[in-house]
Amino acid sequence: LAKTTQPISMDSYEGQEVNITCSHNNIATNDYITWYQQFPSQGPRFIIQGYKTKVTNEVASLFIPADRKSSTLSLPRVSLSDTAVYYCLVGDVNTGNQFYFGTGTSLTVIP
Amino acid sequence: ETGVTQSPTHLIKTRGQQVTLRCSSQSGHNTVSWYQQALGQGPQFIFQYYREEENGRGNFPPRFSGLQFPNYSSELNVNALELDDSALYLCASSLAGAGLWEQYFGPGTRLTVT
Repeated sequence: LAKTTQPISMDSYEGQEVNITCSHNNIATNDYITWYQQFPSQGPRFIIQGYKTKVTNEVASLFIPADRKSSTLSLPRVSLSDTAVYYCLVGDVNTGNQFYFGTGTSLTVIP
Repeated sequence: ETGVTQSPTHLIKTRGQQVTLRCSSQSGHNTVSWYQQALGQGPQFIFQYYREEENGRGNFPPRFSGLQFPNYSSELNVNALELDDSALYLCASSLAGAGLWEQYFGPGTRLTVT
């Protein structure tokens, strides 16, 4: 079961780009990397998922190096509403079970 | 498209009692997972159901059990409640086999055990 390591917390000013890195040294061949966002008293919300190289969607980019032992979530031009906890998960999307959330990174966006 | 719903929103139980939490999956989803989230912690995987069968289980004792119904709704049952069971219980639905593991979470049920 691949586990992840993330910084516990980060601060950023509004309008800046934020990069949150996740370490997953034991990632398996079939594992994908998925990021979730969670606001207080709400369930996590899917942000982005990838296997290798770079994935981009309308809210974020995900960078994955060739060895796949880490990944970086990039949030462009953050706003106050991006203040949340961000979780990095690794897991086999085909079997889909036992996704390990870890403690996540608490991002605070400062005006 | 109806999202994931959970009931009840809040619940207070006494140690030793039993509780049943309910989840209605997003339309078209065939897989449901349950998570326990203690205050200040990340969600911890309890188990997953696919086509009414348990499809994986985390490190939780047998007094945590579940069901998935033909309409893909689900229940989480916890027997012999302990104080440490106090947490937010999250249900997430997804479509297995789609190749993209995007789980849709409900708002959770806040369980307090006294």
